[in-house]
Amino acid sequence: QQQVKQSPQSLIVQKGGISIINCAYENTAFDYFPWYQQFPGKGPALLIAIRPDVSEKKEGRFTISFNKSAKQFSLHIMDSQPGDSATYFCAASRDRGSTLGRLYFGRGTQLTVWP
Amino acid sequence: DTEVTQTPKHLVMGMTNKKSLKCEQHMGHRAMYWYKQKAKKPPELMFVYSYEKLSINESVPSRFSPECPNSSLLNLHLHALQPEDSALYLCASSQGGLRREGPDTQYFGPGTRLTVL
Repeated sequence: QQQVKQSPQSLIVQKGGISIINCAYENTAFDYFPWYQQFPGKGPALLIAIRPDVSEKKEGRFTISFNKSAKQFSLHIMDSQPGDSATYFCAASRDRGSTLGRLYFGRGTQLTVWP
Repeated sequence: DTEVTQTPKHLVMGMTNKKSLKCEQHMGHRAMYWYKQKAKKPPELMFVYSYEKLSINESVPSRFSPECPNSSLLNLHLHALQPEDSALYLCASSQGGLRREGPDTQYFGPGTRLTVL
């Protein structure tokens, strides 16, 4: 049973456009939601993360929007650039009160930004 | 510094070989993880060590044997692997423990690309 559902599987965006990736979860015990960016042949790198006590977090061109009641969160990449072409994974964990933040990953979104 | 290093970068081995993957971090993290990642799939958790003790084993076949010699090092010993074990093997670390500062963010290494012939 997949704990985090991610869509779309692939996304093609023109340079300068907005890329939007959506994730949904069922387990209300999840309280930490990181996004990872992975380039081919490399390990995932933490991009941005959010806790459910805020509805939005912005870091540069990257924004996470969080809807606690709907149990959904999304990544918005503004002014998308060819260098943003990568696979993006959303994830969730039960963090507070846990000795380990075990991650449950979405299936990933392959983003291609055309110049 | 949030660097996790892994060696080797690439490994080709036969089904009868014995080899080891190595992972190192110097962030003072007390939790270390092994993941397996197939192409176009998310990382799949294999093992977790917390304070040098095996905390999670996701029913991984015994041909994979993890070892945590100290808080900075993590090894994955490989023996009698199958071609379907070919994948990118990722190591990660996180602060771990209840008294950590902030969320238990995992930092990943670059991975070892393993090919089993």
